Amino acid sequence: EVHLVESGGDLVQPGRSLRLSCAASGFTFDDYVMHWVRQAPGKGLEWVSGISWNSRSIDYAESVVGRFTISRDNAKNALYLQMNSLRAEDTALYYCARETNDYGTSYYFDFWGQGTLVTVSS
Amino acid sequence: SSELTQVPAVSVALGQTVRITCQGGSLRKYYANWYQQKPGQAPLLVIYGKNSRPSGIPDRFSGSSSGNTASLTVTGTLAEDEADYYCQSRDSASSLLWVFGGGTKLTVL
Repeated sequence: EVHLVESGGDLVQPGRSLRLSCAASGFTFDDYVMHWVRQAPGKGLEWVSGISWNSRSIDYAESVVGRFTISRDNAKNALYLQMNSLRAEDTALYYCARETNDYGTSYYFDFWGQGTLVTVSS
Repeated sequence: SSELTQVPAVSVALGQTVRITCQGGSLRKYYANWYQQKPGQAPLLVIYGKNSRPSGIPDRFSGSSSGNTASLTVTGTLAEDEADYYCQSRDSASSLLWVFGGGTKLTVL
């Protein structure tokens, strides 16, 4: 059974850093592209960042470019999000999600974790 | 980057049919995926690609697309279908970039 478990969320002051982790199990982790998606309180979903299976391709939402860094350790079945220079508007529940595809045609996020809460406040 | 536009809220009478729409330029190139989210829960994929349902999703959920508009239709809506629904599409700029619609709150009357 596929499991994605996020951790590392906390209350932090503006300008500080935080590192989120996502522990994956129940599937061959390095076969999949992985993503971070966030949801501010009472708001919608916002895609944050994605990373290819071999870490050679990475992309970020404009709102986090230059401040967040996504990475993965396939030996540990883990996905990470290093968040620097945090702002109040980064306050959100952060989900990790697995991307899959239907024989190379349709692409979608088939499994999500339960999220870890990041609160940026002084 | 691309944007996807959804109506913030729709309502439907119990047992009736409702369509939730999503508009955006990227939908001319990519199919939309649809996620259901209930309070306190992670998003759940309900429709992907042209019109496919993951295992366990009832066949009252269906998807369609025309031009720059994708639609999620719920036929014979049940009370348990009350939730937020989000469309999602790839961004034309990169295969790793994705975009979500703002979400539609479905209320079952």
